[in-house]
Amino acid sequence: KAGVTQTPRYLIKTRGQQVTLSCSPISGHRSVSWYQQTPGQGLQFLFEYFSETQRNKGNFPGRFSGRQFSNSRSEMNVSTLELGDSALYLCASSATYTGELFFGEGSRLTVL
Amino acid sequence: GQNIDQPTEMTATEGAIVQINCTYQTSGFNGLFWYQQHAGEAPTFLSYNVLDGLEEKGRFSSFLSRSKGYSYLLLKELQMKDSASYLCAVRDQRNDYKLSFGAGTTVTVRA
Repeated sequence: KAGVTQTPRYLIKTRGQQVTLSCSPISGHRSVSWYQQTPGQGLQFLFEYFSETQRNKGNFPGRFSGRQFSNSRSEMNVSTLELGDSALYLCASSATYTGELFFGEGSRLTVL
Repeated sequence: GQNIDQPTEMTATEGAIVQINCTYQTSGFNGLFWYQQHAGEAPTFLSYNVLDGLEEKGRFSSFLSRSKGYSYLLLKELQMKDSASYLCAVRDQRNDYKLSFGAGTTVTVRA
């Protein structure tokens, strides 16, 4: 069974640009969560989608958005990038919204 | 919301035992998870506790006391490959079952 796949794995952007990250969950999983990981802050919850609906949202500015498609694949978008957005963005899928999370390898974003 | 606290770093010797504590405050506890994350890799699931008591899985055990808002992860017979960050995470049913993570405990195993 294939795991959670995130693309791209690495990317470099400059301030003011926008970025879109993609996540393909484990087959059959309907819940997709996104987290931002930085050395100082640990894993910070961004949002969670279940069956194309955003169920939960963390305390991030509106520049951070996401969506989920009918095949459960999810994307997150960050507009008007800032230096502080440099981080590892992790996607995780779960069969239900109360189950264990299975994480992808992450997308490492560097903002210059 | 919830506050999740765990020590930042711990060091232990190969073959020894290490206990990683996690305390939390939440209004609607619905389960506690432990994850392991090696440097540069994705977190992987280790254990899940929703009722009080000890869950044992090979060399790893996890304990939960809901009344004390306390959990620990016990790593026995430490191996070099156990050097990693260990993340405590709590699910809150009053917050749409959001799973929040502690900052993680970096365990270094020395020969």
